[in-house]
Amino acid sequence: GAVVSQHPSWVICKSGTSVKIECRSLDFQATTMFWYRQFPKQSLMLMATSNEGSKATYEQGVEKDKFLINHASLTLSTLTVTSAHPEDSSFYICSARRGQSYEQYFGPGTRLTVT
Amino acid sequence: EDQVTQSPEALRLQEGESSSLNCSYTVSGLRGLFWYRQDPGKGPEFLFTLYSAGEEKEKERLKATLTKKESFLHITAPKPEDSATYLCAVQASGGQNFVFGPGTRLSVLP
Repeated sequence: GAVVSQHPSWVICKSGTSVKIECRSLDFQATTMFWYRQFPKQSLMLMATSNEGSKATYEQGVEKDKFLINHASLTLSTLTVTSAHPEDSSFYICSARRGQSYEQYFGPGTRLTVT
Repeated sequence: EDQVTQSPEALRLQEGESSSLNCSYTVSGLRGLFWYRQDPGKGPEFLFTLYSAGEEKEKERLKATLTKKESFLHITAPKPEDSATYLCAVQASGGQNFVFGPGTRLSVLP
């Protein structure tokens, strides 16, 4: 149990366009979902935390108008990168927390390349 | 400020050569310490949760232990398929976010 999927697994887009990444908990209801960004050979950087039906809480330095997060149901959260630029190219990973447990279960990640 | 450090940064072992990875933390009240394994280009895979000093968890060749200031991930008789980056994260009391360490890149040579 505790499987999290992400779609797409990789995406290439042109500068100035928007990209949406989906994160789904497949076999459990996720009360809280998290979005991370990871640069090569670095650890995970938390971007935002979202609770179902509430506005996301963004970490300091993360532009909330650029990285739109929607947690519309207990199994789905989306991250939309708006007006993407090459510096937004990165590996984006979501995670989900099941019920009241503290563990986070991670998706496989989405590789975004902005040309 | 909550902080997590991991050592060594990278570790190369021969197959069968046991060793330990360290995760040191400073946190204002520990709710839990978590170990993950991450393969290149993939999301982290959950390994263990430790909640209190003295607690130990085991899974196959891995054993995680916890003290009030650090955690160790012991790898017994590793195999090449154990090669990965091992991440440690803590969650402080009163918070819901993880603070991740930088990770240890483990390479097990056949």
